[in-house]
Amino acid sequence: AQSVTQPDIHITVSEGASLELRCNYSYGATPYLFWYVQSPGQGLQLLLKYFSGDTLVQGIKGFEAEFKRSQSSFNLRKPSVHWSDAAEYFCAVRSRGGSYIPTFGRGTSLIVHP
Amino acid sequence: GAGVSQSPSNKVTEKGKDVELRCDPISGHTALYWYRQRLGQGLEFLIYFQGNSAPDKSGLPSDRFSAERTGESVSTLTIQRTQQEDSAVYLCASSLELTDTQYFGPGTRLTVL
Repeated sequence: AQSVTQPDIHITVSEGASLELRCNYSYGATPYLFWYVQSPGQGLQLLLKYFSGDTLVQGIKGFEAEFKRSQSSFNLRKPSVHWSDAAEYFCAVRSRGGSYIPTFGRGTSLIVHP
Repeated sequence: GAGVSQSPSNKVTEKGKDVELRCDPISGHTALYWYRQRLGQGLEFLIYFQGNSAPDKSGLPSDRFSAERTGESVSTLTIQRTQQEDSAVYLCASSLELTDTQYFGPGTRLTVL
């Protein structure tokens, strides 16, 4: 079955520190890959997506993600975290054929200490 | 409007009552989706509409859940005889076409007492 795993439920970092949020997927073939951010009381906002081509994807708000086929991973990174980055982060995958509905991970809650 | 809007933002109801949740998609978006987000969980797909095609209802958890969409505009998600396990945030999203990026509304937080 298709699945998305975000192994970290909570991540705590200090402001200015680097960040990496993990995402692993299980799919028959390389899917489309997404990262979304959800601030308190808000809907989900797309940070970045990978469809094909360069495996290092740049997104909004200074985020990037790297697709690693050999590890079935799509980890999200940011070199220097700001207090406003505190939010819930969701990884999602969608098959390249068939269903148009993405499968979402359970989310990782990012806490930023001043 | 510039984005997807949902109303109400919060809804508290008593067990057994019916509720209606509304979604206004981005103008021109042909696809519209409903998701449920339980506390501490990821998003659970409920239903999607694409143009004039029959909706994909494969994610609806029971026959108490239904949704309608008028053309390519407003959608309403109805939950009949609400149960406590229906308590969740209900998110709506729209996209230009089914294959395109989804844009999400702020959600409706439903609490069933």
